[in-house]
Order: sequence, then structure tokens, then C-alpha cells
Amino acid sequence: NAGVTQTPKFQVLKTGQSMTLQCAQDMNHNSMYWYRQDPGMGLRLIYYSASEGTTDKGEVPNGYNVSRLNKREFSLRLESAAPSQTSVYFCASSEEGLAESGELFFGEGSRLTVL
Amino acid sequence: AQKITQTQPGMFVQEKEAVTLDCTYDTSDQSYGLFWYKQPSSGEMIFLIYQGSYDEQNATEGRYSLNFQKARKSANLVISASQLGDSAMYFCAMREGYSSASKIIFGSGTRLSIRP
Repeated sequence: NAGVTQTPKFQVLKTGQSMTLQCAQDMNHNSMYWYRQDPGMGLRLIYYSASEGTTDKGEVPNGYNVSRLNKREFSLRLESAAPSQTSVYFCASSEEGLAESGELFFGEGSRLTVL
Repeated sequence: AQKITQTQPGMFVQEKEAVTLDCTYDTSDQSYGLFWYKQPSSGEMIFLIYQGSYDEQNATEGRYSLNFQKARKSANLVISASQLGDSAMYFCAMREGYSSASKIIFGSGTRLSIRP
């Protein structure tokens, strides 16, 4: 079972370059999330998507865009990368509801370095 | 506004002792869920335990239990009989509401180190 798959796992960019992080889940979950984790810190929510076709800002959305392409896929785009965006990015999915805890299922993370 | 606070940046505990990791939260919603995740040095996020705001009993999962004090807005994680493999970062998280439109936010984490 693949669960949540993120690509690429590692990426080095120069300041001003653009890139897209891809995320796909095979658990038929409605909700998907993008977080960033800076060294020694917790996870901060960038954007989330409650269902196909909807996206909402999280705690730190500036400098990012997202696309919920379909129920499976949720991509994160950096249009003009900055050194402050050096971080580990996690994609996650969940299925909430009264009968479900709604726990997050995480991908393995994507380590991005912006020089 | 939704907020999670973990006030212990790091803790050292002797192997086989019990340990309590603190978590307080702030929300104006009556319906919410609280989670604990473990992140070992390898980096993956491992779900440990969940507590719903309407659950009357404290959640337990093996050696993990969640000490839920609703009036004090605290959701502390208790690990009984700690093991060397428990050394990791631990994160408390909260989801407001039960709908799929809810966002989930995390605290800053506690680094737990178990001494042999």
C-alpha cells in the first residue's frame, strides 16, 4: 500500500527559480494538506484542501500556490523560491467524520534547499 | 483562534520511567479533536493517539494515554514504562470541528530523550 507519495524527495533550487511539489494519495481521502517543518520546529500548515476543487490558506501561505487536481492529487508550487523557503515539506491526507478520528497520514517529506 | 502550545522543548527521562508531555490548546469551537504524533530521527510522522472533545473517557493506546482535562484545555500525553525507542520529537495537534473542512495545526514539539 503506497499511502501518501511525495515527489521529489530532495531538491536544490536557486533563488527565484520555480518548482512544484507533487503529492498523491491512494486512500480515497477527501482532505489533503501541505505543511512545512523548519529545523527543530513543529509543522506549520501552508494550505489545505477539504475536497476536490477547494483549497484554503493555512498559517503560512505566502509565497506558495496549490492545486487540487483531483481527489488523489494535491500539488504545491513555489513561483519564485526564496532562501526562507528552505524546509522539509510534508503532504498529508485525512478522512474526518464522526466515525473516524481523522488522523493525518503523512508522506515521507520533501527536503527543499534554496540557495 | 486555534492554537496549540507545548512548553517543554526537551526532556530527559530514565528508561522504564513514566513520562508526561504537556499540551495546552485554545479554541472557541465545542467540537474538536486532539492528536499526538511521534517523529523519530528518521523523520517520518507516526500517529499515536486521538481524543475527541466529546469523548468522556481518556484515550489509551498500549503504553500511550492521553490525559484530557477539558476545563483546563490540556491534553497531555503519558507514556508508561519508557523505552529507548521512545526517544523522538513529539507533537500535539488539534482539529477544530468534525467536518472535512477542518484544518489541523501542530504545536512546536517536545524532544524526548530516554536515558539507559
